[in-house]
Amino acid sequence: DTGVSQDPRHKITKRGQNVTFRCDPISEHNRLYWYRQTLGQGPEFLTYFQNEAQLEKSRLLSDRFSAERPKGSFSTLEIQRTEQGDSAMYLCASSSPAGRRGNEQFFGPGTRLTVL
Amino acid sequence: AQSVTQLGSHVSVSEGALVLLRCNYSSSVPPYLFWYVQYPNQGLQLLLKYTSAATLVKGINGFEAEFKKSETSFHLTKPSAHMSDAAEYFCAVSEGGGNEKLTFGTGTRLTIIP
Repeated sequence: DTGVSQDPRHKITKRGQNVTFRCDPISEHNRLYWYRQTLGQGPEFLTYFQNEAQLEKSRLLSDRFSAERPKGSFSTLEIQRTEQGDSAMYLCASSSPAGRRGNEQFFGPGTRLTVL
Repeated sequence: AQSVTQLGSHVSVSEGALVLLRCNYSSSVPPYLFWYVQYPNQGLQLLLKYTSAATLVKGINGFEAEFKKSETSFHLTKPSAHMSDAAEYFCAVSEGGGNEKLTFGTGTRLTIIP
């Protein structure tokens, strides 16, 4: 068990460019979550998957954001036409199969996005 | 809707002193409550969680928290602070029952004074 991994760890891009982040969850975890954390704030929920199905999306997730988990394993988060306000830490987490109460979410190290 | 309020964005304590980080929650259903710690440039690590079992929950690194329904609180404590406890601490709530998304507070930065 190597934990949740995220790639890249850091991304610097120019406004208007598209970026894509990848998250690899713990292998037996079927739930995967994306959060966004801005400076001085707690993480904010963006979306989550159970297997390959995207079950909920936050209103924070504008049309420029899209997330996928095509085979129920790794997930990607794409931001199109980036804006300076997208600069944040993007955190991925995974948890064990549904039905277990109070599932612990295991977090990855995050991808820090800077939009110039 | 659920929410979390963490009183005190910065807390400083002397090494060896009591650590008390405050968390109050709001939830329309019996909540599941969590404390996470975040070290610089790292992800979040779970310290402890409350899932409707014992109201006094013990976690890692000597931390514990007590769920008080009447006060809607879940304060985090540690009897004796260590230099390695310096970090950002987040309280979070989820509704459970299949809706596992976490709602976090704004965090408390803990500084340990030598």
